[in-house]
Amino acid sequence: SYELTQPVSLSVALGQTARITCGGNNIGNKNVHWYQQKPGQAPLLVIYRNINRPSGIPERFSGSNSENTATLTISRAQVGDEADYYCQVWDSSANWVFGGGTKLTVL
Amino acid sequence: EVQLVESGGGLIQPGGSLRLSCAASGFTVSRNYMGWVRQAPGKGLEWVSAIYSGGATYHTDSVRGRFTISRDNLKNTLYLQMNSLRAEDTAVYYCARAPEGATGEFDFWGQGTLVTVSS
Repeated sequence: SYELTQPVSLSVALGQTARITCGGNNIGNKNVHWYQQKPGQAPLLVIYRNINRPSGIPERFSGSNSENTATLTISRAQVGDEADYYCQVWDSSANWVFGGGTKLTVL
Repeated sequence: EVQLVESGGGLIQPGGSLRLSCAASGFTVSRNYMGWVRQAPGKGLEWVSAIYSGGATYHTDSVRGRFTISRDNLKNTLYLQMNSLRAEDTAVYYCARAPEGATGEFDFWGQGTLVTVSS
């Protein structure tokens, strides 16, 4: 089966840049999607197919994917960005796979 | 406007059955890949089941043989039949749409329905 590895937690100072990583074997060859989930809410798509932002998602959110690591970058972090973030891919051996999630705290 | 509304969750004893529903509006379920994703209390997201636009169905190993995903094209509704429920199936269950197919993203999610398996 295919596994995705994310840091459990990440802290960033207000206004600084947060980079959340998602590790997987040759993940650079896959489409990676990122979701934001706030307490009590359903997940919200913030980046799809590695680098694309859905309508309504601020430009501060960006993505990259290369070799064995995909990264979600949140520039000029705001208190409202505090949430759990999940990466996700599709793999032929396991269908849809989610990372374990990263809890982002803005200090 | 795309909407997904789940229902059917509740408290059920181990070994029991439940059927979850996901009523869709604003798009056609049968023309999209659809999935169920669950989240156990305090845990991360876990894909459970999927149905492709062509009708093929897939389930994660832990539910295969116990859960069945299906759809009613006339009602534009997705279902998850859950049998032989276990305590570890306790979770919020979300339905979601993947319009670009298997390698694509889940672009819309329902609000979720809570399933609690306990005696």
